[in-house]
Amino acid sequence: AQSVTQLDSQVPVFEEAPVELRCNYSSSVSVYLFWYVQYPNQGLQLLLKYLSGSTLVKGINGFEAEFNKSQTSFHLRKPSVHISDTAEYFCAPSNSGYALNFGKGTSLLVTP
Amino acid sequence: NAGVTQTPKFRILKIGQSMTLQCTQDMNHNYMYWYRQDPGMGLKLIYYSVGAGITDKGEVPNGYNVSRSTTEDFPLRLELAAPSQTSVYFCASISLNTEAFFGQGTRLTVV
Repeated sequence: AQSVTQLDSQVPVFEEAPVELRCNYSSSVSVYLFWYVQYPNQGLQLLLKYLSGSTLVKGINGFEAEFNKSQTSFHLRKPSVHISDTAEYFCAPSNSGYALNFGKGTSLLVTP
Repeated sequence: NAGVTQTPKFRILKIGQSMTLQCTQDMNHNYMYWYRQDPGMGLKLIYYSVGAGITDKGEVPNGYNVSRSTTEDFPLRLELAAPSQTSVYFCASISLNTEAFFGQGTRLTVV
């Protein structure tokens, strides 16, 4: 099974500033990578995913992530955050795409 | 489509009581999962199912049971509730293109 490390438990940032949420995973023969977002009192929803192809993946709400095989990382970025981006973000690598192994989450807090 | 529906949304149990958390999906997904979420700990997999009649243990199955008699339903059973089972429980299903769909969660408190 994949193990995953989200390097920051909390990330405070001002509105309109850029943000990067870091994710590292243990290496494996093949890997699929996902970022999910959880808004307060809701379930998780898919933000973006990497299955194959281009290492730069674009998702919803202006987020993107880059798959770096040599560094076993899949960091999430957004050039300019909004208040509405305040949420918990989960990185989830998978060997098959059908067995997600979630990180502990990064709490993004955007303030005016 | 309603997606993944969980009931109840909230529940308080006394130690030793039992209950069933219901989960239904209307997307005809074969893969279904139960997770628990505790503060700062992410999501831990309790049980999963790859199709009707097939279930398997996840990372933290002790104290729980599941069944999968139909594609749509995947109930989670707590037989003897303990305070350690106080948590938020999420049911999810995964589509063929690997997108996971989550229910709104069940917040369970055992006192």
